[in-house]
Amino acid sequence: GAGVSQSPSNKVTEKGKDVELRCDPISGHTALYWYRQSLGQGLEFLIYFQGNSAPDKSGLPSDRFSAERTGGSVSTLTIQRTQQEDSAVYLCASSLTSSHEQYFGPGTRLTVT
Amino acid sequence: GQNIDQPTEMTATEGAIVQINCTYQTSGFNGLFWYQQHAGEAPTFLSYNVLDGLEEKGRFSSFLSRSKGYSYLLLKELQMKDSASYLCAVRDQGSARQLTFGSGTQLTVLP
Repeated sequence: GAGVSQSPSNKVTEKGKDVELRCDPISGHTALYWYRQSLGQGLEFLIYFQGNSAPDKSGLPSDRFSAERTGGSVSTLTIQRTQQEDSAVYLCASSLTSSHEQYFGPGTRLTVT
Repeated sequence: GQNIDQPTEMTATEGAIVQINCTYQTSGFNGLFWYQQHAGEAPTFLSYNVLDGLEEKGRFSSFLSRSKGYSYLLLKELQMKDSASYLCAVRDQGSARQLTFGSGTQLTVLP
């Protein structure tokens, strides 16, 4: 079946602009995660959604980062006033529940110039 | 919090066996995962250990010792396509159950 999809695959933006990254999880998966992978570093947890519950935002690095998940399915990660240090690959993952393994999307490579 | 250590790079020969180690220090533990990530691609799930012992799945096996905070991934009969980064990740005990990843071990398989 279809896996996790993300768009765009690549995004180049100027410092100070806002960007929106989209994630379509696997159908039926109630848990959705956003991670960030910077060059040469491990994946860093950003935010977690479970069903209709309030998200766990404990991993967001600053208040410029926000995310929403509409209808318990598609999620959008928004970065406002982008900075060069925001350049990274942003990965979305979904799992059947938080107790199951996570399946990752292909990621969005964000470059802030 | 979590702290996860694994070697940065390893090299092995096609057909050989390689063991990738991972040590962790955690404030809570709810399972350890291994993922494979080819360059420019998404991580793909390989294995999951929550109890001590060895889990075998084809050419890949994963071992866990919770008392030692130690795991390894064993790859047998190495193939060229096994060249990739191998990520060790510990699942948090909190409600989010998010994964904390190590920096990954870049494995190069030589002919």
